Amino acid sequence: DQQVKQNSPSLSVQEGRISILNCDYTNSMFDYFLWYKKYPAEGPTFLISISSIKDKNEDGRFTVFLNKSAKHLSLHIVPSQPGDSAVYFCAATDSGYQLIWGAGTKLIIKP
Amino acid sequence: GAVVSQHPSRVICKSGTSVKIECRSLDFQATTMFWYRQFPKQSLMLMATSNEGSKATYEQGVEKDKFLINHASLTLSTLTVTSAHPEDSSFYICSARAFGTSSPDQETQYFGPGTRLLVL
Repeated sequence: DQQVKQNSPSLSVQEGRISILNCDYTNSMFDYFLWYKKYPAEGPTFLISISSIKDKNEDGRFTVFLNKSAKHLSLHIVPSQPGDSAVYFCAATDSGYQLIWGAGTKLIIKP
Repeated sequence: GAVVSQHPSRVICKSGTSVKIECRSLDFQATTMFWYRQFPKQSLMLMATSNEGSKATYEQGVEKDKFLINHASLTLSTLTVTSAHPEDSSFYICSARAFGTSSPDQETQYFGPGTRLLVL
């Protein structure tokens, strides 16, 4: 049973436009959510996180939105740049130590 | 940001040999380190969680006698793949969670660059 789902395996966006990556979860005990970016053959890099007491967190071009009632979060990247092309993983935790990972979404930024 | 290193970055070994991978937190102390394995085109799979000074906790289906984990200090954890076989070939990634930082940073894991293991 997948507790964290990223239903889009890939997403293609024009450079300069907004990229929106989505993530759904089923466990209502999750209270902290994270987004990681991963290039091939490298470890994931932490991007941005959000606590369940917030509904939005912004850091430069990256904004994460959390809708607890819908059990849905999204990562917005604006404007999208070629270097943003990577696989993005959504992860969640219930204040334990283990991250529950989504399957990832491959973002392709077209010039 | 916090830095985690892994060594070696790439290793090729013969079937039957053992390989040790080191994971170090360079600028922070990590009470908890995690070992992941990534299969091609799949998400990260948590193999085990190690806490400094205690035995690692392995996920279901992960052989503890095959993947030996030692968390000897607050900055070093090692994963030893014993009697490696070609099916152990994979990309192994460690992560570390900082000690003593206030929430929400304590929830964030910092990842190493990964180690690609190829068993011939």
